[in-house]
Amino acid sequence: QSVLTQTPSASGTPGQRVTISCSGSSSNIGGNTVNWYQQVPGTAPRLLIYNDNQRPSGVPDRFSGSKSGASASLAISWLQSEDEADYYCAAWDDSLNGSLFGGGTKLTVL
Amino acid sequence: EVQLVESGGGLVKPGGSLRLSCAASGFTFSSYSINWVRQAPGKGLEWVSSISATNYIYYGESVKGRFSISRDNAKNSLYLQMDSLRAEDTAVYYCARRRIEYTYAPAFDYWGQGTLVTVSS
Repeated sequence: QSVLTQTPSASGTPGQRVTISCSGSSSNIGGNTVNWYQQVPGTAPRLLIYNDNQRPSGVPDRFSGSKSGASASLAISWLQSEDEADYYCAAWDDSLNGSLFGGGTKLTVL
Repeated sequence: EVQLVESGGGLVKPGGSLRLSCAASGFTFSSYSINWVRQAPGKGLEWVSSISATNYIYYGESVKGRFSISRDNAKNSLYLQMDSLRAEDTAVYYCARRRIEYTYAPAFDYWGQGTLVTVSS
């Protein structure tokens, strides 16, 4: 079981807005920045959000990140079929002195 | 173009050793922290280890004492020496570059394609 907790699955229809959550503690999300990754099965992960809410160049503004206390969220607006993938949150943990990934959320576009 | 290319994966018996390599190109390798991240078949991502530009090294709990990370800036290469391998180390191993402005945050902006390590008798 991951220290960063994500709901295993989420779904939505094209055009909808979906939110994926990530829950941690004061030693990780509560005290450090959160990053989000998208992974299409069989491919390497792709950085979607860093520093809680910043998008790397090339990431559409349909993807947004937010954080409150020890929890973080990734929102995807105007859902598209190509958004079907696994999504992971990640943060540094001061107690473990290492990086952590959430267990992942599988997003299905119906 | 930034590229990271892993190699060295394969089949190894429990208790055995393997050395992974990651060849980097397209950026100033010596200026970046580089990490290893693995993914067991059908499972999620697990951070394994990191080495900073100034050779600060960190390991995940599950590999401490068994794995060793190193880098050769002259060869633009990253290595992972894996000893005392266990079945649960079976995974695709990715090398990933951390965004330059961060020391610790797992903000990995470029990833290799991964190399599969299978630990089985």
